Amino acid sequence: GESVGLHLPTLSVQEGDNSIINCAYSNSASDYFIWYKQESGKGPQFIIDIRSNMDKRQGQRVTVLLNKTVKHLSLQIAATQPGDSAVYFCAEMANTGFQKLVFGTGTRLLVSP
Amino acid sequence: ETGVTQSPTHLIKTRGQQVTLRCSSQSGHNTVSWYQQALGQGPQFIFQYYREEENGRGNFPPRFSGLQFPNYSSELNVNALELDDSALYLCASSLGPGLGTEAFFGQGTRLTVV
Repeated sequence: GESVGLHLPTLSVQEGDNSIINCAYSNSASDYFIWYKQESGKGPQFIIDIRSNMDKRQGQRVTVLLNKTVKHLSLQIAATQPGDSAVYFCAEMANTGFQKLVFGTGTRLLVSP
Repeated sequence: ETGVTQSPTHLIKTRGQQVTLRCSSQSGHNTVSWYQQALGQGPQFIFQYYREEENGRGNFPPRFSGLQFPNYSSELNVNALELDDSALYLCASSLGPGLGTEAFFGQGTRLTVV
């Protein structure tokens, strides 16, 4: 379904560590996946995306892994910085003819200096 | 900055009232989507407008309606406000409605219904 959790899981890391944020998605027909970062008082900000015909994609300091067999998505952030502290959401989209992003349960990332 | 602007930033309304929220899309973007984000949750899709027509809708009642104008800006209207309508309302614009077209979000309008 499209329900999301009421309580945000939290990942606390030290500056310089690598962070891994996980997400389970619901729709096996989803073709496109995106990770968003949301800072307090702001809208979601695009980080990286991946299509269903790929299993890995790398950006600047970020890597997204897609495992369609178990419907799992992960975001890896290398050398995490205090500015990375935010809530991270994965979102999925199926090819329905319109853009309907279905967001997963967010994860709060706290980076300590 | 995404180039997507929403107004107002904050709003307080009384139960039963009506509200209109506004969104200016990024230059060149003809597609606008609206999302509702309750506190502590991920955004939920309300509907999408493409070239002034609604072309997709989520699980929201008819009292949630919208418009898109020739300049591709958009409005979200909510009638008969309920307490549970209190949320952050997000607008996202994109170059088109197709799969894989990046959506750029505005900063949102925080609506409080009392």
